[in-house]
Amino acid sequence: EPEVTQTPSHQVTQMGQEVILRCVPISNHLYFYWYRQILGQKVEFLVSFYNNEISEKSEIFDDQFSVERPDGSNFTLKIRSTKLEDSAMYFCASSEAGYNEQFFGPGTRLTVL
Amino acid sequence: GENVEQHPSTLSVQEGDSAVIKCTYSDSASNYFPWYKQELGKRPQLIIDIRSNVGEKKDQRIAVTLNKTAKHFSLHITETQPEDSAVYFCAAGDDYKLSFGAGTTVTVRA
Repeated sequence: EPEVTQTPSHQVTQMGQEVILRCVPISNHLYFYWYRQILGQKVEFLVSFYNNEISEKSEIFDDQFSVERPDGSNFTLKIRSTKLEDSAMYFCASSEAGYNEQFFGPGTRLTVL
Repeated sequence: GENVEQHPSTLSVQEGDSAVIKCTYSDSASNYFPWYKQELGKRPQLIIDIRSNVGEKKDQRIAVTLNKTAKHFSLHITETQPEDSAVYFCAAGDDYKLSFGAGTTVTVRA
């Protein structure tokens, strides 16, 4: 069964550094999402991406964040200047169409020191 | 924006009993209501979903009900088993965004 994959599984970075989190959505899916989950808390929506542009973004997704689909398979989340409070598990998800099941990747645990 | 409230935050049930989790949402434009199960250290996985044109949906031991007028929806798990122990999240949204509840930690006692 196809799955969403994410790399790396764990990223440790210094405050102020840039990080890029990578995701490979399921191949025939058209909608892509990033969520984050701070340890022990709920899943929070960051951004959705469809037809090569951002469809919607949350208040969390400020100018420090950007997303890109650099080729036909990858979907990336960039954080330009990381802060301590960016430490969280970041999940990528994809869905075939709107109102369809969103399949989550295994997550990237980001630790900002 | 959408605000999803979920209750209870923890739920302990005896194996074989039923578990009920309730959620309310604020945005009447929301049309899609999935439930996710998350085991410790793993990704959220969809267990059931319902769309706004349906009031109830059942899949084996799991059922979801939706009341759009009252803006609430519920998850029912019958004949609970130890492997049902996990954190359950409700969510509400549309094509482009899901807002999640705070989660319910379900523990099934053997």
